[in-house]
Amino acid sequence: DGGITQSPKYLFRKEGQNVTLSCEQNLNHDAMYWYRQDPGQGLRLIYYSQIVNDFQKGDIAEGYSVSREKKESFPLTVTSAQKNPTAFYLCASSQGTGVTEAFFGQGTRLTVV
Amino acid sequence: QKEVEQNSGPLSVPEGAIASLNCTYSDRGSQSFFWYRQYSGKSPELIMFIYSNGDKEDGRFTAQLNKASQYVSLLIRDSQPSDSATYLCAVNKLGGYQKVTFGTGTKLQVIP
Repeated sequence: DGGITQSPKYLFRKEGQNVTLSCEQNLNHDAMYWYRQDPGQGLRLIYYSQIVNDFQKGDIAEGYSVSREKKESFPLTVTSAQKNPTAFYLCASSQGTGVTEAFFGQGTRLTVV
Repeated sequence: QKEVEQNSGPLSVPEGAIASLNCTYSDRGSQSFFWYRQYSGKSPELIMFIYSNGDKEDGRFTAQLNKASQYVSLLIRDSQPSDSATYLCAVNKLGGYQKVTFGTGTKLQVIP
């Protein structure tokens, strides 16, 4: 089945640690996105990538880093510089050309302990 | 100015009524428009998409697009308590590399 897989579903981080959230897609999509969602709030764009080896900052990139070495993979690292990382993180992808919607993974819930 | 704007709500409607959700966008180059529904703690799921001016109906849902006024709306007829969720508007545009832009969503509460 084609889709987007995020792992892990739940992640706990100690203060001061970096953690990496995985996002893999087998839809052959060019564009991939990372969003953060806080309780009761909307989606906020962290980073997006429109093509391999290129990515752009979104609205709240501080304290996060990404890489796009492969078309199917777009991992997000939450660094220790992100002071309030507890949130629900969603990865999405969309076709690079033409008019298509974005597809979402099931999300990763990150909690700082 | 945000690229895609929605009223955060909550929008409360009684069961059986019509819920009207609105979205405005700033980029006149936007070509495709999407409505997603997100239940609490879950991923957004696509409800409808619309590309052309006018109305598009799918069951109890109707999407309306007015490119001249740069707004898109979603009507939900015969609202049910199961429709209670956050509704996200998203826009995309042709040409070059793609970027889908989301609004922050409107929370809908359907009161039994």
